[in-house]
Amino acid sequence: GAVVSQHPSRVICKSGTSVKIECRSLDFQATTMFWYRQFPKQSLMLMATSNEGSKATYEQGVEKDKFLINHASLTLSTLTVTSAHPEDSSFYICSAGETGDTEAFFGQGTRLTVV
Amino acid sequence: KQEVTQIPAALSVPEGENLVLNCSFTDSAIYNLQWFRQDPGKGLTSLLLIQSSQREQTSGRLNASLDKSSGRSTLYIAASQPGDSATYLCAAPLSGEYGNKLVFGAGTILRVKS
Repeated sequence: GAVVSQHPSRVICKSGTSVKIECRSLDFQATTMFWYRQFPKQSLMLMATSNEGSKATYEQGVEKDKFLINHASLTLSTLTVTSAHPEDSSFYICSAGETGDTEAFFGQGTRLTVV
Repeated sequence: KQEVTQIPAALSVPEGENLVLNCSFTDSAIYNLQWFRQDPGKGLTSLLLIQSSQREQTSGRLNASLDKSSGRSTLYIAASQPGDSATYLCAAPLSGEYGNKLVFGAGTILRVKS
């Protein structure tokens, strides 16, 4: 199957700082990637759809100015958590699929802790 | 609006048992359904993808079935092993979406005792 790589796997940052998370499709091109968030003991919730060359689309209740998404190439999408607060602490995970294929492949996830 | 429910929330079985995990979804107009495994603190591993035209898929000791008309899918694990211990997630596409934009169930936490 296709490989999606996410970096970093774990990050701790201070309140008020920004954190960037990268999601790369290693062996295929992805015009669309997806970002999910998972709070402790809860399931994954879709945050936004990252579109190569255009603006991301955000799910209801997700602040676009707080979670900046950039999809500058067909193999890389980045999620920047701006002015992070402790309540942003969560597990963030991205997914992508090959164009025309319906199967979703996930990165390893990023555990963000804001102190 | 697509909603996915998984039963049971947790399951503890002795090694060697066959077991069934259940998933139900509200919008049956789906193109596919996926089962994933998540180990603690880790990402997702795709186990099985069932296309809407299929009734089941098999991979090793895993068998997943899909009944669109009733909005149900089951994951059958044969001869369970301690290494199968993990959270199993069922996911269906958002209503009206082709495939990669997923709605997840809350998961079934499986513990296989040796």
